[in-house]
Amino acid sequence: GAGVSQSPSNKVTEKGKDVELRCDPISGHTALYWYRQRLGQGLEFLIYFQGNSAPDKSGLPSDRFSAERTGESVSTLTIQRTQQEDSAVYLCASTFGKNTGELFFGEGSRLTVL
Amino acid sequence: SQKIEQNSEALNIQEGKTATLTCNYTNYSPAYLQWYRQDPGRGPVFLLLIRENEKEKRKERLKVTFDTTLKQSLFHITASQPADSATYLCALRLNTGFQKLVFGTGTRLLVSP
Repeated sequence: GAGVSQSPSNKVTEKGKDVELRCDPISGHTALYWYRQRLGQGLEFLIYFQGNSAPDKSGLPSDRFSAERTGESVSTLTIQRTQQEDSAVYLCASTFGKNTGELFFGEGSRLTVL
Repeated sequence: SQKIEQNSEALNIQEGKTATLTCNYTNYSPAYLQWYRQDPGRGPVFLLLIRENEKEKRKERLKVTFDTTLKQSLFHITASQPADSATYLCALRLNTGFQKLVFGTGTRLLVSP
């Protein structure tokens, strides 16, 4: 497809389980971001990948959170031992190059931890 | 501490009027500032970008100003329409370090017919 694709669109899980969220960026986009958006809140930066450089993980809230990206393609955000406060929409965005303008966002993965 | 502040209260205006949204920031030196629109249940969509050396940028009914002395950006929608109702987010691209984009909390705009 032409846009950023995220899956699953909705995920309900039990506290303590692990979840994986997937992001397919726009083809050719070298930069990829993950953000978290809690209900009624703004976007909270989690992690940034740029090409083959070391990712900026400064926004990951705890060591239960990790993300990987293979080259300039798919990225996976993993949350281990989920907690209720992890409930949020997880948004992925991609863009071309380092000093670029707009981010192209996916529609997000809504995570609910019971 | 570093902050990006947008009015958390919804802005209600009548159709046809000009909507003005504010983004203030402290302790940042942004290379540029962006505005995004977000509809409920959707990802944000880019609207405009303005660089630190630009005072004003326009696109159709949208106008953005950027005052690096006041550390403020204003976002205007002229001749507003009910379809403009959405949450509007400002975001800063930082000048140093990794090129991450930092977002404000957004302001909800409601345009009544």
